[in-house]
Amino acid sequence: GQSLEQPSEVTAVEGAIVQINCTYQTSGFYGLSWYQQHDGGAPTFLSYNGLDGLEETGRFSSFLSRSDSYGYLLLQELQMKDSASYFCAVTAGGYQKVTFGTGTKLQVIP
Amino acid sequence: ETGVTQTPRHLVMGMTNKKSLKCEQHLGHNAMYWYKQSAKKPLELMFVYNFKEQTENNSVPSRFSPECPNSSHLFLHLHTLQPEDSALYLCASSQDPLVTGNTEAFFGQGTRLTVV
Repeated sequence: GQSLEQPSEVTAVEGAIVQINCTYQTSGFYGLSWYQQHDGGAPTFLSYNGLDGLEETGRFSSFLSRSDSYGYLLLQELQMKDSASYFCAVTAGGYQKVTFGTGTKLQVIP
Repeated sequence: ETGVTQTPRHLVMGMTNKKSLKCEQHLGHNAMYWYKQSAKKPLELMFVYNFKEQTENNSVPSRFSPECPNSSHLFLHLHTLQPEDSALYLCASSQDPLVTGNTEAFFGQGTRLTVV
């Protein structure tokens, strides 16, 4: 089976940078994704890494190291609206078998 | 608005009731999923349908019965549920990753289910 670990809670100041780490154990790894979920809302896709390295999309970047079974989500210039839960998810054992982590609740404070 | 619509948004049912959750997508996606989200637990994959065929059943109890009549619609039929089945049930869809290069999933808003 698959298992993922990420911190349960992170607090950061508005305008700062925060990094949310994710480590995973799996076989047949295909890729690592990140999703954002606001309270009461649906998870929304943020990024995907299929290869090692950094992917940048605006204020958000995601990194993957397949050899270390590790990835992170980097959020820059934090805004209050970034307060949400962030989930890493691995696709493994089949293209459409996606397993989610427990999520990291990010609180952005003034 | 993600293009994936779930109804109802909220549902309260007794343990002897039978109800169904509905999910609809018109994004042209070929895969549809049911996930269960409970407090302080990861999103749990329940079922995967690919081109209307069930390709994954993640050891889900038989009191949950999925149905996929076509590639745009997905149902989850519920009967004789237990209070511990109370959770947010999320539907998602995605396109073939061989086409898109990733496995981006689009989620509906979910059905908040309470079993009493």
